[in-house]
Amino acid sequence: AQTVTQSQPEMSVQEAETVTLSCTYDTSESDYYLFWYKQPPSRQMILVIRQEAYKQQNATENRFSVNFQKAAKSFSLKISDSQLGDAAMYFCAYRSPYHTQGGSEKLVFGKGTKLTVNP
Amino acid sequence: NAGVTQTPKFQVLKTGQSMTLQCAQDMNHEYMSWYRQDPGMGLRLIHYSVGAGITDQGEVPNGYNVSRSTTEDFPLRLLSAAPSQTSVYFCASSYGGRADWGLDTQYFGPGTRLTVL
Repeated sequence: AQTVTQSQPEMSVQEAETVTLSCTYDTSESDYYLFWYKQPPSRQMILVIRQEAYKQQNATENRFSVNFQKAAKSFSLKISDSQLGDAAMYFCAYRSPYHTQGGSEKLVFGKGTKLTVNP
Repeated sequence: NAGVTQTPKFQVLKTGQSMTLQCAQDMNHEYMSWYRQDPGMGLRLIHYSVGAGITDQGEVPNGYNVSRSTTEDFPLRLLSAAPSQTSVYFCASSYGGRADWGLDTQYFGPGTRLTVL
């Protein structure tokens, strides 16, 4: 079974600075998908960024980018120019290819990293 | 579009009571699922459905029932609530199994906080 580990329960960053959240995963599959979700105090789960394992290029969405190291099974999230609105829980998640799960699109989540942004 | 909606937002039950958590989506998504979120545990899959009339168990299905009579709705039933079911419950949906990666994103509802006394 796949597992996702987020080794930093809490992180803090100064406004306008850069922070990197770590995520490692364990899998025997060669094709899969990785995600970062943001959960602000409102509880809403918001997709931040996603990465297909077969793509060499790291995904980027505005101030958010990932460092995907497939051999090391590492998927870190970098937030540049941090803003107060970035304060939230961040979850890393793994998903197997659709065809290997009998229709399930089960996401395997890490335990989360709480990010605090200091003004 | 309202997206994924869940009702109620909050609920308190006594041990042994039953209730249904409602989930609806207006995006014509085939795939719907239920997760629970416990402190320090991330989210875990309870049940899922790949289309109307088809459901299956996830990682933590015990104590919960689901059905999918329409594409839009996917209710989660607690048959006899237990304190161990105190949690935040999320419903999610997606187009499901599409080759186009851009259509494959799962959208989450706002969650239901359930307390069982």
